[in-house]
Amino acid sequence: DVKVTQSSRYLVKRTGEKVFLECVQDMDHENMFWYRQDPGLGLRLIYFSYDVKMKEKGDIPEGYSVSREKKERFSLILESASTNQTSMYLCASSSVYYSYEQYFGPGTRLTVT
Amino acid sequence: AQSVSQHNHHVILSEAASLELGCNYSYGGTVNLFWYVQYPGQHLQLLLKYFSGDPLVKGIKGFEAEFIKSKFSFNLRKPSVQWSDTAEYFCAVNTLYSGAGSYQLTFGKGTKLSVIP
Repeated sequence: DVKVTQSSRYLVKRTGEKVFLECVQDMDHENMFWYRQDPGLGLRLIYFSYDVKMKEKGDIPEGYSVSREKKERFSLILESASTNQTSMYLCASSSVYYSYEQYFGPGTRLTVT
Repeated sequence: AQSVSQHNHHVILSEAASLELGCNYSYGGTVNLFWYVQYPGQHLQLLLKYFSGDPLVKGIKGFEAEFIKSKFSFNLRKPSVQWSDTAEYFCAVNTLYSGAGSYQLTFGKGTKLSVIP
């Protein structure tokens, strides 16, 4: 079974702090994704990566950056956290060879106070 | 850019009732279609998918969905729901085109299903 893990289930940070969310997948998938999930808005893509050191902006990249130094790890960085970044963050991965189906991690619920 | 519409924000059903959740997408080309489910406190998981062939696809836990190309729809159905089906359901579309963008899924806003025992 594909496993996608995220470093924290719950995180509380203060406004202005730099925040790192980590995601690791164990299936050698080429693609990795970061979404945020908000009630009534569904999942919105922040960034994705299709290869090491490669990244593409999603629909809502403002205020976020990403890093992918190793194939299995994809980090989401909030340079200066703000209260409107309070949300559930989901990481996902997929293989280019098997139907582009995405596998999701358990999510990190981030609260910025 | 493609978009996905889910018509119902919250559906409340009694056990044994039939379920149909609507999903429409806007892209006119070749698509891959998915339904994901998120049970309370759990991570998002795949319920079923359509890539090609028979437009009626069957998924886990008795769910099925029908792809109607002319209507740009991929509605989810279940003949008889159970309390354990209480969850949020997301329709998603993966459009097929060249370039890095082809790996993306576009999600609908989700439909919460509450099943009353």
